[in-house]
Amino acid sequence: DIVVTQSPSSLAVSAGETVTINCKSSQSLLSSVNQKNYLAWYQQKPGQSPKLLISLASTRESGVPDRFIGSGSGTDFTLTISSVQAEDLADYYCQQHYSFPLTFGSGTKLEIK
Amino acid sequence: EVQLVESGGGLVQPGRSLKLSCVASGFTFSDYGMHWIRQAPGKGLEWVAYISSSSGTIYYADTMKGRFSISRDNAKNTLYLQLSSLRSEDTAFYYCVRRGPPGFWFAYWGQGTLVTVSS
Repeated sequence: DIVVTQSPSSLAVSAGETVTINCKSSQSLLSSVNQKNYLAWYQQKPGQSPKLLISLASTRESGVPDRFIGSGSGTDFTLTISSVQAEDLADYYCQQHYSFPLTFGSGTKLEIK
Repeated sequence: EVQLVESGGGLVQPGRSLKLSCVASGFTFSDYGMHWIRQAPGKGLEWVAYISSSSGTIYYADTMKGRFSISRDNAKNTLYLQLSSLRSEDTAFYYCVRRGPPGFWFAYWGQGTLVTVSS
């Protein structure tokens, strides 16, 4: 099974700052067939279901603000949230969609000071 | 608009069974693979099971294999999860989730149904 290690577990920032969340997989998520990285990012606001932000490491879903940026390749990935807003208060999860069993990182709680 | 509405959760005693349902609308249900994902209260996300559009391919998380059974009825636009031999650690919100083709990411989520296993 692919283990996905996410860090930090929590962080608190002021509005307007930039946040970086990291995700490391136990094996490469880069497909040799299409050269795409099979990692997704989700946002879960308090009391809500998770929402897909990014798939294939860097492809933003329709309607997701462009301050959410996914990057990385192979085993190391990053979600960057630039100019954080109060509405970004949420838990964030990464997920490898390279192989079954599908696995998630343990989550990052983002708090706004 | 894609909608996924789960039902069937509730309080159940350890060792008993429960069947969850998820009614889908807003898309052609028979064209998409579907997942169940769970989340214990205050904890992280855990993938449970996947079923392909035709039910020809099914995968389970190792910890659920043999106790949980995923199925679907495309004529009724409904996804199911049969839970058996329930344990306290199965207490969680169970989400019905539509696959995001072409990959196995989780594109659309239901609101979840809470299963509480307790005597």
